[in-house]
Amino acid sequence: EAQVTQNPRYLITVTGKKLTVTCSQNMNHEYMSWYRQDPGLGLRQIYYSMNVEVTDKGDVPEGYKVSRKEKRNFPLILESPSPNQTSLYFCASSFLGSRGSQPQHFGDGTRLSIL
Amino acid sequence: AQTVTQSQPEMSVQEAETVTLSCTYDTSESDYYLFWYKQPPSRQMILVIRQEAYKQQNATENRFSVNFQKAAKSFSLKISDSQLGDAAMYFCAYRSGADSGYALNFGKGTSLLVTP
Repeated sequence: EAQVTQNPRYLITVTGKKLTVTCSQNMNHEYMSWYRQDPGLGLRQIYYSMNVEVTDKGDVPEGYKVSRKEKRNFPLILESPSPNQTSLYFCASSFLGSRGSQPQHFGDGTRLSIL
Repeated sequence: AQTVTQSQPEMSVQEAETVTLSCTYDTSESDYYLFWYKQPPSRQMILVIRQEAYKQQNATENRFSVNFQKAAKSFSLKISDSQLGDAAMYFCAYRSGADSGYALNFGKGTSLLVTP
């Protein structure tokens, strides 16, 4: 089954304790992206990757890191989490073809609470 | 980033009736793509329908159709024969064909309530 898998689905942690949210897709997509969803703000892009070893900042990258060492995986790293990073996070992926026409497939989301 | 506006925070429709959700966007580009995503209480983001800006014909997917008015920069979603399972948050999204980031720019969403 084609899917984007995020782990964990839920995490409660404390300020300053490094954490990683994993994302894996099995569709051989070149493009992967992380979004955060906050009430009243919709979804905002954090980082994206066009292919292996190619990553770039989205609209809200502060406090986050990513890596793309393999095509299928795109982990989101919070080196020193703070309460303002409490949010619902989504990983998404798509083919790159046709200049952005391909729809993005989303994971089921990760609810992060930073105390 | 392009601005996407959904002016209806909440909408309500009776089962079997038709409802239209509004979306407008601000862009100076000619090459772009528009999407509607559905987010049910399970929080999944599910693609409902998409529209290429270069196509004049409005996209249709079963009970879901769009009214794409390029000059007016409007992209509304019509849901016909509404069902209880249609209750969800609906997000309109814009994706540039020129922006190398290919980011989806989302509106803030419209919460749709379906009543029996």
